[in-house]
Amino acid sequence: QAVVTQEPSLTVSPGGTVTLTCGSSTGAVTSGHYPYWFQQKPGQAPRTLIYDTSNKHSWTPARFSGSLLGGKAALTLLGAQPEDEAEYYCLLSYSGAYVFGTGTKVTVL
Amino acid sequence: EVQLVESGGGLVQPGGSLRLSCAASGFTFSSYGMNWVRQAPGKGLEWVSYISSSSSTIFYADSVKGRFTISRDNAKNSLYLQMNSLRAEDTAVYYCARDGGRFRGVIDPDYWGQGTLVTVSS
Repeated sequence: QAVVTQEPSLTVSPGGTVTLTCGSSTGAVTSGHYPYWFQQKPGQAPRTLIYDTSNKHSWTPARFSGSLLGGKAALTLLGAQPEDEAEYYCLLSYSGAYVFGTGTKVTVL
Repeated sequence: EVQLVESGGGLVQPGGSLRLSCAASGFTFSSYGMNWVRQAPGKGLEWVSYISSSSSTIFYADSVKGRFTISRDNAKNSLYLQMNSLRAEDTAVYYCARDGGRFRGVIDPDYWGQGTLVTVSS
């Protein structure tokens, strides 16, 4: 089974910008992996932020955006807020198998 | 408002069985596929299973194939996960997640329930 790798932790200043990445052990991540991004705060259920690489749900704050960057999926947070402190997971599809990333803990400090 | 409420979790011995339920409201349940996703204590997310709106298409993760069975009752707006031959490594919070169905052959989780904890221990 593929391994999906994310940065273990990242720190961003309030109002700052941070980019999280999501890489695949099988090679470059493409739109064919249908990358998703989820946010999870302690003690809460995950919340879907981004689907199919770059599409946002109605509840996704405008400061979040998704893309493909250097062979990986990427989630960029532009103008971080204290409430963005959370764990972030990506999800990639592999022809009927679905693998979540290892997760990135984002600290806003 | 979309609501998903899981129930049925608890403590079970290794080798035992448990049936989880997910009660759905706020949307036309029979029109959407559904997923189960789990999270071991302090660990990341793991996709477990998917069922289409009519139950005609079902997928399982290799880790649960042959032991878990996903099903649904559209008349009762309910999703189920029958878990047999449970192991310590099945200990996790189990979430149900609605599938937005935007893509053929690819899961599309959008709304999530709050989860129910399953503990497998003697």
